[in-house]
Amino acid sequence: DTGVSQNPRHKITKRGQNVTFRCDPISEHNRLYWYRQTLGQGPEFLTYFQNEAQLEKSRLLSDRFSAERPKGSFSTLEIQRTEQGDSAMYLCASSYRADYGYTFGSGTRLTVV
Amino acid sequence: GESVGLHLPTLSVQEGDNSIINCAYSNSASDYFIWYKQESGKGPQFIIDIRSNMDKRQGQRVTVLLNKTVKHLSLQIAATQPGDSAVYFCAEPGTSGANSKLTFGKGITLSVRP
Repeated sequence: DTGVSQNPRHKITKRGQNVTFRCDPISEHNRLYWYRQTLGQGPEFLTYFQNEAQLEKSRLLSDRFSAERPKGSFSTLEIQRTEQGDSAMYLCASSYRADYGYTFGSGTRLTVV
Repeated sequence: GESVGLHLPTLSVQEGDNSIINCAYSNSASDYFIWYKQESGKGPQFIIDIRSNMDKRQGQRVTVLLNKTVKHLSLQIAATQPGDSAVYFCAEPGTSGANSKLTFGKGITLSVRP
């Protein structure tokens, strides 16, 4: 296991299109998190799963955003009708139980043109 | 509201010198803090953490100091190396408890001069 894997690494899309990102956590980690990071800022929490249950969503996660973790393993984050303001790095992280030192993936950089 | 912030956006140090990165927090109820390092093109990497019942914790070449009176913590890096060049974030879970949702500061860039 080489850590948290995110695909794609980069995505350029036209405004109004839908995009989907995938995160494969460390296999024994039952907690999975999505964060968004804009240039020069720290990551901002979006949502969190424990196994397949989505337990918390940030107010940043508008109706255009949806995340799933259907089998408690990999997760997807979909953004519908993308806007230029959605351009950011989308980071996934996973942890085992309530271990705060969770592991981040390298992120998916989204550019909306 | 709660916030975690860093005093300076950039820090330039000579290779071999010690680096000190500072962070202020506003939530006096915060009881756990973490420092992350983020290299270009990568996700944040855990460096060291500290709980509020401690005022100092040491790792390999790194030390975190916590001053609860003034709600300030710092990350000290000894004998700074070129590989330490990165953006550093302090983070804390605030009142999120077992959810372990973290609030990050804005980040400070550490640049190591050869």
